[in-house]
Amino acid sequence: DTEVTQTPKHLVMGMTNKKSLKCEQHMGHRAMYWYKQKAKKPPELMFVYSYEKLSINESVPSRFSPECPNSSLLNLHLHALQPEDSALYLCASSHLAWETQYFGPGTRLLVL
Amino acid sequence: DAKTTQPPSMDCAEGRAANLPCNHSTISGNEYVYWYRQIHSQGPQYIIHGLKNNETNEMASLIITEDRKSSTLILPHATLRDTAVYYCIVRVVVNSGYALNFGKGTSLLVTP
Repeated sequence: DTEVTQTPKHLVMGMTNKKSLKCEQHMGHRAMYWYKQKAKKPPELMFVYSYEKLSINESVPSRFSPECPNSSLLNLHLHALQPEDSALYLCASSHLAWETQYFGPGTRLLVL
Repeated sequence: DAKTTQPPSMDCAEGRAANLPCNHSTISGNEYVYWYRQIHSQGPQYIIHGLKNNETNEMASLIITEDRKSSTLILPHATLRDTAVYYCIVRVVVNSGYALNFGKGTSLLVTP
């Protein structure tokens, strides 16, 4: 089973809203990732968690706040986003931080 | 970071083999070559990876040249569902994890 689930599938939010994206895997993977993909562009890494600890932050603005409450769950808290943050947000996981990453279907976010 | 070069687009007739080339002439000795694909608006799907030897799984074959400066992904019997953007990625180790540096990829169109 190589399934990573993400909720919601679609999200529309205003610039003053606070929302959260959720990612879950039950494969026993200890590394989880957030990527951002703008339209017609390749995915770009945002954050990496390894053993529930943030190990990589690719200079992401503080309006994006990741959280890894346990080894199966990864959240991305959103606050005061801008319209240019509209994108497909992808979650991935891997058994260990240097192993093959498996992606979820993504959350398509629209900021108005 | 080792970079990859792929043709922007390719066509393939259904039932024929699709051969997708990738150039990675600056690859280091311990860097793996990964292939993912992304069907429109879905999360990237892992296909295959390799270091030096040729690899085969139920989805595809990966042929890596002896000098490791290029590789070819082979889909032996392409179907319409194989229409996607195919990314050739050289895994870059970053601190305790690694980033998948997706390039622009090859847009493969499988035609009836």
